Amino acid sequence: QKEVEQNSGPLSVPEGAIASLNCTYSDRGSQSFFWYRQYSGKSPELIMFIYSNGDKEDGRFTAQLNKASQYVSLLIRDSQPSDSATYLCAVKEGAQKLVFGQGTRLTINP
Amino acid sequence: GAVVSQHPSRVICKSGTSVKIECRSLDFQATTMFWYRQFPKQSLMLMATSNEGSKATYEQGVEKDKFLINHASLTLSTLTVTSAHPEDSSFYICTSRSTDTQYFGPGTRLTVL
Repeated sequence: QKEVEQNSGPLSVPEGAIASLNCTYSDRGSQSFFWYRQYSGKSPELIMFIYSNGDKEDGRFTAQLNKASQYVSLLIRDSQPSDSATYLCAVKEGAQKLVFGQGTRLTINP
Repeated sequence: GAVVSQHPSRVICKSGTSVKIECRSLDFQATTMFWYRQFPKQSLMLMATSNEGSKATYEQGVEKDKFLINHASLTLSTLTVTSAHPEDSSFYICTSRSTDTQYFGPGTRLTVL
């Protein structure tokens, strides 16, 4: 059973600071990694995907992937109260399936 | 990004009735759609993979006779929860794959009384 692990939180970060979210996965052969944001009562929305080792930046978001250590992280710079949500890490299994972590609940405190 | 719609967004039904949920990809054709279920404060669990023109592939532990999936066209997949019971109350979400990314529908919250 392939697993994706996240700290469920809650993670509290002051407004303007950097929020760091981490995810580890069990399948060393995994190639595709995704971060989704889910507001309470809503469906997840894709923030970023990353395939290669290293960093990938998109606006205030940076995804970091380290395949040797089997972890992927998401950094949110200049955190805003609107960033408060649950962040889901997902790893592609096989050709199509996504395996999700349990999500990390992030709260940005004004 | 790609747009996926679901209908209805919320449904309340009596125990024993059947409920149909529709998932549509609005701006692309999807040979494959996925159905997930999410219980409160839990992560998404894949229920089944819906394949256009063929039978769905169900995950272990998901009853295919209870959760009927039909994917009759490249833009529409339906999930029917048959003889729903209170334990089926959950948030049902479909996704549709475009290139290498899955896009989520807005979800359907099912409450079975």
